[in-house]
Amino acid sequence: EVQLVESGGGVVQPGGSLRLSCAASGFTFDDYAMHWVRQAPGKGLEWVSLISGDGGSTYYADSVKGRFTISRDNSKNSLYLQMNSLRTEDTALYYCAKEIHEAFDIWGQGTMVTVSS
Amino acid sequence: QSALTQPASVSGSPGQSITISCTGTSSDVGSYNLVSWYQQHPGKAPKLMIYEVSKRPSGVSNRFSGSKSGNTASLTISGLQAEDEADYYCCSYAGSSYVFGTGTKVTVL
Repeated sequence: EVQLVESGGGVVQPGGSLRLSCAASGFTFDDYAMHWVRQAPGKGLEWVSLISGDGGSTYYADSVKGRFTISRDNSKNSLYLQMNSLRTEDTALYYCAKEIHEAFDIWGQGTMVTVSS
Repeated sequence: QSALTQPASVSGSPGQSITISCTGTSSDVGSYNLVSWYQQHPGKAPKLMIYEVSKRPSGVSNRFSGSKSGNTASLTISGLQAEDEADYYCCSYAGSSYVFGTGTKVTVL
């Protein structure tokens, strides 16, 4: 079964850091680009970041550029999001998603990040 | 990148057809045939319904169809059913980035 499972969310103070993880199974992980997408409570979806299958190319939304870093370990079938200098507006449910044809065909269940003092 | 514009809500009776619009710019929707659509039920992860403007993934009902004209993409749901009640989001590739729509709540009357 193709599956993505996120972890690492929690409550952090403004200015703090958090590292999210996404464990993939059921497909050849390094064949696919992977993304992080977030959804603030009661709000819409927002694309956050993309990493190519070999990890050599990364892209970010302007709202997180310079603060977040996406990475992957293909030997562990895992995707990561290092989030630094967190702001209250980063509070959201963070999904990892597998890409196919510039669309997101498989999504995890999400991990909640709350930035609050 | 500004969010793509969708109507906040669309409603229809069972069996009817509805269409959701998704308006972007010449930098996203207008430049690429890479618009996708997602269905999201409350408390659930989004589900891919349409990719590359009009293609359906395996397992998605043929009641769902997509199209595009200029800077506006559309999702049509025909033969509306109770289980179609959900939030729907469009998304467009925008050259090394992606932009989602504002979301549309579909209500089955």
